[in-house]
Amino acid sequence: DQQVKQNSPSLSVQEGRISILNCDYTNSMFDYFLWYKKYPAEGPTFLISISSIKDKNEDGRFTVFLNKSAKHLSLHIVPSQPGDSAVYFCAASALYNAGGTSYGKLTFGQGTILTVHP
Amino acid sequence: DADVTQTPRNRITKTGKRIMLECSQTKGHDRMYWYRQDPGLGLRLIYYSFDVKDINKGEISDGYSVSRQAQAKFSLSLESAIPNQTALYFCATSDSFRDTIYFGEGSWLTVV
Repeated sequence: DQQVKQNSPSLSVQEGRISILNCDYTNSMFDYFLWYKKYPAEGPTFLISISSIKDKNEDGRFTVFLNKSAKHLSLHIVPSQPGDSAVYFCAASALYNAGGTSYGKLTFGQGTILTVHP
Repeated sequence: DADVTQTPRNRITKTGKRIMLECSQTKGHDRMYWYRQDPGLGLRLIYYSFDVKDINKGEISDGYSVSRQAQAKFSLSLESAIPNQTALYFCATSDSFRDTIYFGEGSWLTVV
């Protein structure tokens, strides 16, 4: 049973426009959410995170929104750049609900391939 | 140099063979992990270790074993490789008190 789902395998966006990547989860124990970016032939790299006490976290061009009632989070990239083209994974953990023992025990979505066209 | 180094980066092995993937880190982190990536399934946790004397199974540990030889070293073994273990394997590390895990560059394993 996929507890974290990214239902869009791919997304294509024009440079300068907004990219919106979506993620849904089913486990109500999840209280910490992360986005990772992965380029070919490299390992995933951390992008941005949000805890369940917030509904928005912003870091430069990247903003993550969390809707707990809908069990949904999204990553917004504004403006999108060709260098943003990569696979994006959302991930979740029961970090605080597990008393801090869930570090690294992330449940990942399937990934979304983002292509930003010049 | 990479903070999390995996060897080998690519390996083709035959069914039934034993194969070991090695991981070393220079970040000084306590916690180390092995993940597996399959198309359409994302990354799944195989084993994790919170310190040298601590080893825990992840969600897909069957067919795998691990060894934490030192704080900086964590190896993954496939005692008898089978074709459905063909995947991209990632080692990762984290600090006990931070919220970010750091991945190595991955090891492609093909079992024929």
